[in-house]
Amino acid sequence: GAVVSQHPSRVICKSGTSVKIECRSLDFQATTMFWYRQFPKQSLMLMATSNEGSKATYEQGVEKDKFLINHASLTLSTLTVTSAHPEDSSFYICSAALRDNEQFFGPGTRLTVL
Amino acid sequence: AQKVTQAQTEISVVEKEDVTLDCVYETRDTTYYLFWYKQPPSGELVFLIRRNSFDEQNEISGRYSWNFQKSTSSFNFTITASQVVDSAVYFCALSAEYNFNKFYFGSGTKLNVKP
Repeated sequence: GAVVSQHPSRVICKSGTSVKIECRSLDFQATTMFWYRQFPKQSLMLMATSNEGSKATYEQGVEKDKFLINHASLTLSTLTVTSAHPEDSSFYICSAALRDNEQFFGPGTRLTVL
Repeated sequence: AQKVTQAQTEISVVEKEDVTLDCVYETRDTTYYLFWYKQPPSGELVFLIRRNSFDEQNEISGRYSWNFQKSTSSFNFTITASQVVDSAVYFCALSAEYNFNKFYFGSGTKLNVKP
């Protein structure tokens, strides 16, 4: 099956720093990737849709300048949390679309901002 | 608007018991897909099943079975003879014709299977 990786799996950073999370589709090309956020004991909320070669589409309420998304190639999308604060601490999950409505999820990145 | 409701927040059963996880969805689209995912403590989402709106046949895969009923907008998931390894959070999700790539997740049901 299709495999999606994320790096790092865990990151702890100080408040005010920026953190970059990578999402890679390992054995297929993904024109579209997605970024989700999951707070403890809550569901996954779609943050943005990342399209290769174009600007990401953000969901309502998600700050574009806070969560920078770059989809520079068909196998890599990055999410940068800029000037992170403790309230940004969460579990971030990416997914990649092999085809319409067939998404494969990465293992997630746990971000802790001190 | 699309919505998925998983009313059961947490369920505890003893090993070998059968358990059903409920999922109720809302959509005005005639073409849509329903999914179930398992999220173990490690956090990674594990795909279990995808069902399209035109296929109401129930499905069985080993100890897992799914009951799709359009009349009640439900897509319930049953685990037969539960095992400790089944302990996880289970999410039901919906994607619809308006944008098949946009998944709407339910709030999840945490299943605890005790030995």
